[in-house]
Amino acid sequence: NAGVIQTPRHKVTGKGQEATLWCEPISGHSAVFWYRQTIVQGLEFLTYFRNQAPIDDSGMPKERFSAQMPNQSHSTLKIQSTQPQDSAVYLCASSLGLSGNTLYFGEGSRLIVV
Amino acid sequence: GQQVQQSPASLVLQEGENAELQCNFSTSLNSMQWFYQRPEGSLVSLFYNPSGTKQSGRLTSTTVIKERRSSLHISSSQITDSGTYLCAMGDTNAYKVIFGKGTHLHVLP
Repeated sequence: NAGVIQTPRHKVTGKGQEATLWCEPISGHSAVFWYRQTIVQGLEFLTYFRNQAPIDDSGMPKERFSAQMPNQSHSTLKIQSTQPQDSAVYLCASSLGLSGNTLYFGEGSRLIVV
Repeated sequence: GQQVQQSPASLVLQEGENAELQCNFSTSLNSMQWFYQRPEGSLVSLFYNPSGTKQSGRLTSTTVIKERRSSLHISSSQITDSGTYLCAMGDTNAYKVIFGKGTHLHVLP
């Protein structure tokens, strides 16, 4: 069991460019979460999928951010027209999806927008 | 909305001292978890503890639902305990897990 795998681990992109982050959840886990972590805001919930279906995206900025889960083995977080304030560590987590299950986090993708 | 407050924000200990970290939440919860974030950023689950007391080695977690609080006790702290401790609560739907801002712990030799 390799755990939750996130790629890339680090990404530097120019302002206005697009950034796509990938997450491979633990096999057999039906719930996938995306979080964003900054020093100021801490860990912020972005969005959640269960059995590949989007359940709650209330934490996603309404513009420029989108997330998909095309199959049970990976999810993507896409940021269009990146801005310096998007710089953060983006963390993906998965769980069995049952009530109260613990989250297992990936190592995170550190995005720097210059 | 849901809020999770952690205290203290930071803590400096001499090796061997004990620590008590607090987590208070504003609404009813379905789950409570404690995580340790290593200095390089990776997150490790310490406890899933929605109620009662759980112990693992030098760590003890106690959650009192009716008082809307959870605590993490670290006994005989070690330098390798340094890092950030995060508590997270799941709402009544359980799936949405909200994190506190963490307690940054530094253990000195």
